[in-house]
Amino acid sequence: GAGVSQSPSNKVTEKGKDVELRCDPISGHTALYWYRQSLGQGLEFLIYFQGNSAPDKSGLPSDRFSAERTGGSVSTLTIQRTQQEDSAVYLCASSSTVYNEQFFGPGTRLTVL
Amino acid sequence: GQNIDQPTEMTATEGAIVQINCTYQTSGFNGLFWYQQHAGEAPTFLSYNVLDGLEEKGRFSSFLSRSKGYSYLLLKELQMKDSASYLCAVRDKEAAGNKLTFGGGTRVLVKP
Repeated sequence: GAGVSQSPSNKVTEKGKDVELRCDPISGHTALYWYRQSLGQGLEFLIYFQGNSAPDKSGLPSDRFSAERTGGSVSTLTIQRTQQEDSAVYLCASSSTVYNEQFFGPGTRLTVL
Repeated sequence: GQNIDQPTEMTATEGAIVQINCTYQTSGFNGLFWYQQHAGEAPTFLSYNVLDGLEEKGRFSSFLSRSKGYSYLLLKELQMKDSASYLCAVRDKEAAGNKLTFGGGTRVLVKP
């Protein structure tokens, strides 16, 4: 079956603009995670969704960042008023249960000029 | 909080063995994962340890010592395609869900 997909694969935007990044998890996976990876760095946790529970937003770096997961499937990460330091690869992952391995999507490379 | 350390870069020769160490400090350990990430690609799962000891999967093995806060990933019979970054990640039982904290990754370069 299909893996985790993300769109767009690349996004170039101007400072101050809003961007939306999309993640389609593996069908049936109840847990969905967003991470950010800066060049040459490890992954930084952003937000986590599990079923209908309230999301864990503890990793969001500022109130310019928000995420939704509609219908327990597709998720959108929104960054408002983008800044240059937001430039990174944004990775989405899903898992079938809370304790299983996470499967990652290919990521969206965001460049803020 | 958590602190995870692993070397930044390692170089090895094709056919050789490389050991990537990972040390961690966590308030409530609940499992350690190793992921492989080729440049420009998504991380892919390699191994999971939650109990002390060695887990072997073909050419790759992962070891865990909870008392020492230490793990290593052993890559045997290195192939050129093993050139990638290897990410150590720890799950904390004090954290909600399956949130993982990642180390900075170890870039392994395999030379002919």
